[in-house]
Amino acid sequence: EADIYQTPRYLVIGTGKKITLECSQTMGHDKMYWYQQDPGMELHLIHYSYGVNSTEKGDLSSESTVSRIRTEHFPLTLESARPSHTSQYLCASMPGLSTDTQYFGPGTRLTVL
Amino acid sequence: AQSVTQLDSQVPVFEEAPVELRCNYSSSVSVYLFWYVQYPNQGLQLLLKYLSGSTLVKGINGFEAEFNKSQTSFHLRKPSVHISDTAEYFCAVSRIGGSQGNLIFGKGTKLSVKP
Repeated sequence: EADIYQTPRYLVIGTGKKITLECSQTMGHDKMYWYQQDPGMELHLIHYSYGVNSTEKGDLSSESTVSRIRTEHFPLTLESARPSHTSQYLCASMPGLSTDTQYFGPGTRLTVL
Repeated sequence: AQSVTQLDSQVPVFEEAPVELRCNYSSSVSVYLFWYVQYPNQGLQLLLKYLSGSTLVKGINGFEAEFNKSQTSFHLRKPSVHISDTAEYFCAVSRIGGSQGNLIFGKGTKLSVKP
């Protein structure tokens, strides 16, 4: 069983607010990922990290930013939330030497009014 | 570049009936193949994966999938479904040798098991 956590699970917020979605894992995995999931659509990779101080943009352009100051944390920030940011955000991690199985957190469902 | 097509967006089936969820992929390089399941209001859980070797892969909860290289398919099957199998199922690929390990997902298939 993978230990990867996301908080909050649900967030309803007004336009223009700054938000941070938390993701943490206790497995010591080097690689971490953020995906965006809209209903009926594929999960799209928006950010990933190979390790501390490493962040890269994914396939889907996103106005969000990420940081990786510690191995276990990979928070995602939106400086000014808009209704177009309404979506589910899933965090995942994978051991550094592995290129196969990713372990997913429970997700954060964000609604921007 | 890789892409994944899940041919059915929704599959309704009666309890104890067999089910097959179809997945086709496109890639110019060799890939690993995965099936993930997402229960309502939860994250994704790995059902099974194909890395190499036998083309028939067995996973959790009685699911299995068969890799067919010539047809670029990786269909998921279960001989007898339960109500608890109601969930959304995602097929995914990642490039072998790709250092990022990035997954490319299909759009998902919603399996609805009726009593």
